[in-house]
Amino acid sequence: AQSVTQLDSQVPVFEEAPVELRCNYSSSVSVYLFWYVQYPNQGLQLLLKYLSGSTLVKGINGFEAEFNKSQTSFHLRKPSVHISDTAEYFCAVKTGTASKLTFGTGTRLQVTL
Amino acid sequence: GAGVSQSPSNKVTEKGKDVELRCDPISGHTALYWYRQSLGQGLEFLIYFQGNSAPDKSGLPSDRFSAERTGGSVSTLTIQRTQQEDSAVYLCASSLEPSRHNEQFFGPGTRLTVL
Repeated sequence: AQSVTQLDSQVPVFEEAPVELRCNYSSSVSVYLFWYVQYPNQGLQLLLKYLSGSTLVKGINGFEAEFNKSQTSFHLRKPSVHISDTAEYFCAVKTGTASKLTFGTGTRLQVTL
Repeated sequence: GAGVSQSPSNKVTEKGKDVELRCDPISGHTALYWYRQSLGQGLEFLIYFQGNSAPDKSGLPSDRFSAERTGGSVSTLTIQRTQQEDSAVYLCASSLEPSRHNEQFFGPGTRLTVL
């Protein structure tokens, strides 16, 4: 079975600073990886996904993530955050034979002036 | 176009009562998923429907939980004899088909509070 670990429950950062949200996964088979964002009182929105090919994936709102198979990681990065990036971020994994997503516990990104 | 909708947005109930949560997926999406988001927890998979196939119920936490999908569209999640630990946000998602390429689109959720 697969699992996802998001070690940081909260990440405070100043506006215009860079940020990295960490995600590690475990799986015995090939995986597909996703980052979702949840703004207050809203559903989840897909930021980006890794299915195959280039290990650097670019998503919406200036976010990107890099798939590192040897370290079983899929960290999310943004070079300069904005106040509007304040939200909960979830990393998720899906194996080829599964239909469901397995989510991490989420990281709360708090951007302040 | 319209996204995934869920109703009610909030539900407060007393312990022991039954509740029904509704999900309207995006038109044309054949796959439908229910997840639960509890305080301090990630999102837990509950159940998955794909077309006319038997649903994957492997995530349902107890036999008090059940779900159905009528006509391949609207789905209802039913929780019988609710307990306080059932308090959570219940999220529904749909996708065109459950392949690796297809993004799951999530609804806004139903916040369930069991007193």
